[in-house]
Amino acid sequence: NAGVTQTPKFRVLKTGQSMTLLCAQDMNHEYMYWYRQDPGMGLRLIHYSVGEGTTAKGEVPDGYNVSRLKKQNFLLGLESAAPSQTSVYFCASSYSRAPGQGLQPQHFGDGTRLSIL
Amino acid sequence: GENVEQHPSTLSVQEGDSAVIKCTYSDSASNYFPWYKQELGKGPQLIIDIRSNVGEKKDQRIAVTLNKTAKHFSLHITETQPEDSAVYFCATKGAAGNKLTFGGGTRVLVKP
Repeated sequence: NAGVTQTPKFRVLKTGQSMTLLCAQDMNHEYMYWYRQDPGMGLRLIHYSVGEGTTAKGEVPDGYNVSRLKKQNFLLGLESAAPSQTSVYFCASSYSRAPGQGLQPQHFGDGTRLSIL
Repeated sequence: GENVEQHPSTLSVQEGDSAVIKCTYSDSASNYFPWYKQELGKGPQLIIDIRSNVGEKKDQRIAVTLNKTAKHFSLHITETQPEDSAVYFCATKGAAGNKLTFGGGTRVLVKP
């Protein structure tokens, strides 16, 4: 049981290049999330998904796109990378809320460190 | 939207002493308050959480208190050990969905 796995772990891009970050979870979680972490700002939600085939915008969605074609995978895309997108990106997943089961904690991967020159 | 402020941003304590981190939030409808610990090069890991119908929760050396009237909650670590050195994040969840809003983090250093 690997939990939440992010690939790649590190990447350096040039401004204007595109790339896709992959998140995979093996816990059969319905919900998946992408965050970015910047110094002193905690984690900010980029996009999230409440199920296969559905996505929604979070707090800072501009410049990013996502897809959830399979329940276990959540992809984050940068179409034209900018230096402001230099950050550490974290993926998380959780069960959905079910009646009587209370609130479900989010489980995080170990991050992708992305530098854009 | 929700705003979560966390203080202090850095905290240095002597091994064996207690550490306290405080968070305030703005959305009175928030009903779930987790705390995460992040070690260097790793993702955040949930260490304790509390729901809005509970005022205090304890798990061994860590405890969380919640004051819904004042809209603040705190993490208490007693008998600190070097392995407690990490960055700690508080978070809140609103009434709908499962989205979290995080505080800015506290870097805790436990000196042996």
